[in-house]
Amino acid sequence: TQLLEQSPQFLSIQEGENLTVYCNSSSVFSSLQWYRQEPGEGPVLLVTVVTGGEVKKLKRLTFQFGDARKDSSLHITAAQPGDTGLYLCAGYGGSNYKLTFGKGTLLTVNP
Amino acid sequence: NAGVTQTPKFQVLKTGQSMTLQCAQDMNHNSMYWYRQDPGMGLRLIYYSASEGTTDKGEVPNGYNVSRLNKREFSLRLESAAPSQTSVYFCASRDPGPQHFGDGTRLSIL
Repeated sequence: TQLLEQSPQFLSIQEGENLTVYCNSSSVFSSLQWYRQEPGEGPVLLVTVVTGGEVKKLKRLTFQFGDARKDSSLHITAAQPGDTGLYLCAGYGGSNYKLTFGKGTLLTVNP
Repeated sequence: NAGVTQTPKFQVLKTGQSMTLQCAQDMNHNSMYWYRQDPGMGLRLIYYSASEGTTDKGEVPNGYNVSRLNKREFSLRLESAAPSQTSVYFCASRDPGPQHFGDGTRLSIL
């Protein structure tokens, strides 16, 4: 079973601060995805990274895929209250159909 | 566009009762999925259907059955509900690319 370990599990910061969320595994993934989930809703895809070493930016969010395709990070610059939510990493490993999810990082950005 | 629609949104059952959770997608996706989400556990795959006519077990299939009724619809059945099945259930679809999720069914079993 391929596992994705996310850290930290909880993060509470003030508006304007920077933060990084980590997603690590001992297994290689063909791609990794980051989702954001708000209360009462399903997860929504933020980004997919496919190539080892790849960096993608989405406004104030920067996503990186490790060179060995075993880990990924999400960095948020100047966090805003609207960034509050559960951030989930997920990856396709041995199967193109079965997506493995990390346990998530619950981010709270206080005004 | 509705995307992925799940019904019901909330349900309370007694131990031993049966229930079917419904999921329909209007994106003409081939693959559909059922997950459960518990506090601190992330999303865990219960069953999936790679294409119409096929279903396969995921990580936590015990106590559940599924039916891929047609390309649009994928239902999840609890034959004899147990308190351990109290959870939020999400349906998703894809073809290929990212998974698109419904807003979930919150199920409590007393």
